[in-house]
Amino acid sequence: GQQLNQSPQSMFIQEGEDVSMNCTSSSIFNTWLWYKQDPGEGPVLLIALYKAGELTSNGRLTAQFGITRKDSFLNISASIPSDVGIYFCAGQYGNKLVFGAGTILRVKS
Amino acid sequence: DAGVTQSPTHLIKTRGQQVTLRCSPISGHKSVSWYQQVLGQGPQFIFQYYEKEERGRGNFPDRFSARQFPNYSSELNVNALLLGDSALYLCASSFSPGVEKLFFGSGTQLSVL
Repeated sequence: GQQLNQSPQSMFIQEGEDVSMNCTSSSIFNTWLWYKQDPGEGPVLLIALYKAGELTSNGRLTAQFGITRKDSFLNISASIPSDVGIYFCAGQYGNKLVFGAGTILRVKS
Repeated sequence: DAGVTQSPTHLIKTRGQQVTLRCSPISGHKSVSWYQQVLGQGPQFIFQYYEKEERGRGNFPDRFSARQFPNYSSELNVNALLLGDSALYLCASSFSPGVEKLFFGSGTQLSVL
């Protein structure tokens, strides 16, 4: 079946730093999505990508749909403390989403 | 406007028991999907219902079943609970069967002892 590999598994950020994470798949997806999940909450949609090569921004977040349609990355610029949480990539397969295992963002103390 | 609401928020059951989880979609949304999220993993698709009909089923055993009511709310039932069924069960709604505009609830945390 479809599997998404997210990296890194976890990372520490310092306020103000830029953050980058990516997602790869052995399967082609026609839509890539990025979600953020806070403790005790469901995932919240950050960015949706519909076309290979597409680059989309949402505030400090920028995501790209890979040309091969098998990968995507998410960048967060000038991170702030509320950026901590778990970030998931997801690919659309028919009427379901296939999720990666997530990237955990923590604050460096 | 209220988002997707799920009940109960937490549940503790023992092996072999049965459980029913409930979901109310955002007003006007006709599609409800269910996902299982095991600790440390991403959500995994269980079912999708649209206009009261099952539109998709994930790789879950027949112990898992669901239905959608005329008011578009939904129930997920799990029979003969196993320890491995312990997870966060997420409900998501959308206006159409398309998944690019899925809105998730906060989930029901099920613990099977």
